[in-house]
Amino acid sequence: AQSVTQPDIHITVSEGASLELRCNYSYGATPYLFWYVQSPGQGLQLLLKYFSGDTLVQGIKGFEAEFKRSQSSFNLRKPSVHWSDAAEYFCAVGGILTGGGNKLTFGTGTQLKVEL
Amino acid sequence: GAVVSQHPSWVICKSGTSVKIECRSLDFQATTMFWYRQFPKQSLMLMATSNEGSKATYEQGVEKDKFLINHASLTLSTLTVTSAHPEDSSFYICSAEDPSGNTIYFGEGSWLTVV
Repeated sequence: AQSVTQPDIHITVSEGASLELRCNYSYGATPYLFWYVQSPGQGLQLLLKYFSGDTLVQGIKGFEAEFKRSQSSFNLRKPSVHWSDAAEYFCAVGGILTGGGNKLTFGTGTQLKVEL
Repeated sequence: GAVVSQHPSWVICKSGTSVKIECRSLDFQATTMFWYRQFPKQSLMLMATSNEGSKATYEQGVEKDKFLINHASLTLSTLTVTSAHPEDSSFYICSAEDPSGNTIYFGEGSWLTVV
């Protein structure tokens, strides 16, 4: 069965510092990979997604992620964090094995705090 | 602006009553929508896939008679929580698949509190 692991439940970084959020997945076929951000009490906003092609994906708000098939990882990065980036971040996987690319399995999330 | 809208944003209902949550795609027709629930400080769990004109497909462990899903039109799916109990209190989020199948959009979510 497919699964997504986000090893870090909480991460705290200083504003202006770089950020990397880890995501590992288990999937028996080519995965579709997503990163979403959720502010408290809000819905989800798509940051970026990987379907195929270039393994380094650029997203909104200055985020990027790199798909590494050999490591089954899709880590999210940002060179310089802003205070407004504080939120919950979810990694998700979908694909043909789950009935379609848009039927997603989510990780447990990483809560990002930004120190001023 | 939002392309998928949920209504209501929050609702409080009494135990034993039923409550309906709507999910609308505003700018496109969605033959497929998905319903998730999220408990506080936890991840999203897929409940069911809503298919226009056919029965919803429920994930294992989700009671289809308790969580009724109706996808009566290409822009509207509804989730009805029947005979609600306090343990049904949660954040319910829908997503809609655009016609190309390449993009999904999430609604803003609906908070349900059963008292």
